[in-house]
Amino acid sequence: AQKVTQAQTEISVVEKEDVTLDCVYETRDTTYYLFWYKQPPSGELVFLIRRNSFDEQNEISGRYSWNFQKSTSSFNFTITASQVVDSAVYFCALSDSQTGANSKLTFGKGITLSVRP
Amino acid sequence: DSGVTQTPKHLITATGQRVTLRCSPRSGDLSVYWYQQSLDQGLQFLIQYYNGEERAKGNILERFSAQQFPDLHSELNLSSLELGDSALYFCASSVRGVSDTQYFGPGTRLTVL
Repeated sequence: AQKVTQAQTEISVVEKEDVTLDCVYETRDTTYYLFWYKQPPSGELVFLIRRNSFDEQNEISGRYSWNFQKSTSSFNFTITASQVVDSAVYFCALSDSQTGANSKLTFGKGITLSVRP
Repeated sequence: DSGVTQTPKHLITATGQRVTLRCSPRSGDLSVYWYQQSLDQGLQFLIQYYNGEERAKGNILERFSAQQFPDLHSELNLSSLELGDSALYFCASSVRGVSDTQYFGPGTRLTVL
C-alpha cells in the first residue's frame, strides 16, 4: 500500500531564511505521481506541483524548488528567502496506478510552516 | 481560485441529523473526489466518481453516501451524524484519473454539536 511520510510536523523560520520540507513516499508501483499542496490559514488546498515517476528533473518556480530522488523515495520542497505569506500547512501526496483509473491521493500528515517577520 | 465550488461553506448541526454537501467541479472535469480532513485522521480519501459512476471507495462510513449527477456536480450525504464527523470536507475534481492533477474546492466545515 502506498504511504507518505512527512517526518517534520512544525517548522519555524525567520523571514528570508531558506527552508526545506521533507517528503518520503512508499509505493510498489513503477508509475506514480507526486504532489505538493499548500493549505494557508484560510483553509483551502492549493495545488503547487505534480511530478511523475519518470521525470527526475528538479523543478524551480520562483522561490520554490523541488528535488525528486527515486533512489531515496523522496520528493523534497525548498522555499528560498521565505516570506510571511509562506506560512501554511504543506502536504505531500502520492497517486499511483495501482488504483488503475482511480486516482485517490494519499496524503502525508502535513508540515506546519511558520515564517516570522 | 481552483474553479471547484462547494456549498455551504459552514454547516452546524446536531447529532443524529442528516446533511448534504454540494460540489461543482471545474468545467471539463469528469472526476470528482471527496476527502475528509480531521485533526486526528488528517486528510483521508472518501470516494471518487467519474462521469456519474462510482470509481473508488476509501474510508467512507456506511452512514455516508455520495452521487454524481448528469451535469457532473456531486453531493455527499452524511446521516446519523456523530460528534466525530465534525471535520472539513473537501471536494476535488480532475479531468479523468490517475495522471491528472486534482484541484480542490474551498471545503465545507461541518460542526456537529
